[in-house]
Amino acid sequence: EAQVTQNPRYLITVTGKKLTVTCSQNMNHEYMSWYRQDPGLGLRQIYYSMNVEVTDKGDVPEGYKVSRKEKRNFPLILESPSPNQTSLYFCASMIPRSSGGDTQYFGPGTRLTVL
Amino acid sequence: LAKTTQPISMDSYEGQEVNITCSHNNIATNDYITWYQQFPSQGPRFIIQGYKTKVTNEVASLFIPADRKSSTLSLPRVSLSDTAVYYCLVGGRYKLSFGAGTTVTVRA
Repeated sequence: EAQVTQNPRYLITVTGKKLTVTCSQNMNHEYMSWYRQDPGLGLRQIYYSMNVEVTDKGDVPEGYKVSRKEKRNFPLILESPSPNQTSLYFCASMIPRSSGGDTQYFGPGTRLTVL
Repeated sequence: LAKTTQPISMDSYEGQEVNITCSHNNIATNDYITWYQQFPSQGPRFIIQGYKTKVTNEVASLFIPADRKSSTLSLPRVSLSDTAVYYCLVGGRYKLSFGAGTTVTVRA
């Protein structure tokens, strides 16, 4: 089954304790992206990757790191989490088409609470 | 990245048609218009996409006027399970912004 998976689905941690949220897709998509969703703010893009070893900042990259060493995986790293990073996180992947009509496929989400 | 404006919320009843209009005055020539649906605590799901005129699939229709400065998502005969947030996206192939979307509530 074609899908985007995220782990963990739920995480409660404390300020300053490094954590990694994994994202994996089995559709051989070149493009992957991370979003955070907060009440009333919709989804805001954190980082995106157009291909292996190519990443770029989205709208809210501060406090986050990413890496793209393999096409299928795009982990999100919080080196020193803070309470304002408490949020619902989504990973997505897609194949950009030259025509511009792209479709993103989203993972199930990771709910992170930083105490 | 074209800015989009859509209503914050809409209420409807089962069996009715729901139309959500999205304004995108500064849409670029090559931009597509894409709509996503999101249920609580789930990732957004692609509904429909179009460039001009009308597009229809098994879930919805998308109407785009000639000037492409707006688009209307039409959900025919909604049911309770169509209660969700609907997002309109324009252009932005890699760097994407979803905005707050339109919360559609369907009542019995």
